[in-house]
Amino acid sequence: GAVVSQHPSRVICKSGTSVKIECRSLDFQATTMFWYRQFPKQSLMLMATSNEGSKATYEQGVEKDKFLINHASLTLSTLTVTSAHPEDSSFYICSARGRNSPLHFGNGTRLTVT
Amino acid sequence: KQEVTQIPAALSVPEGENLVLNCSFTDSAIYNLQWFRQDPGKGLTSLLLIQSSQREQTSGRLNASLDKSSGRSTLYIAASQPGDSATYLCAVANSGNTPLVFGKGTRLSVIA
Repeated sequence: GAVVSQHPSRVICKSGTSVKIECRSLDFQATTMFWYRQFPKQSLMLMATSNEGSKATYEQGVEKDKFLINHASLTLSTLTVTSAHPEDSSFYICSARGRNSPLHFGNGTRLTVT
Repeated sequence: KQEVTQIPAALSVPEGENLVLNCSFTDSAIYNLQWFRQDPGKGLTSLLLIQSSQREQTSGRLNASLDKSSGRSTLYIAASQPGDSATYLCAVANSGNTPLVFGKGTRLSVIA
């Protein structure tokens, strides 16, 4: 069964609204979580790395005030896309790693901003 | 900065053929390399993980090889089936704590 649960799997929202995506580790403590974004026919591009209890580290070109990442517990990280616009439409996927566990991926979230 | 390239970008083969997907990476000092399968609109399914000290890994009809010094890996699929149609992604990690760096993938279509 899945060890990383990501919700929602699909979301459609209107331009200007905010969307929250959750990523939960089910049977291990996720000390580090990575958030990726994938545009159609493109590779997964790392957006940010978050360690439990610390501020996320964002990759160059990713706006930290637009993509808010919270990793307040060892089993939950959230990505909030604030004031979403159509160009934010993409496939967002999280991955999580524990101290003694390999990297696991969520099933992704398809975001469509109309 | 690590960069991963996959060739070809797309491949279409008749059912039953054996095929090879290629992956190259610019920084040979990797920790491990992983091959994933991604179906349209879906998440990732890990296929094979090769540690930097290993040369190859096999799982069923899949065989992945790693030549770290030349920065290359191949994924060999034997006796392809229509159900193998998907995008295959190659990804490398430079250490045990760093994120995976992905290639753009190879879109495979196996025609019945």
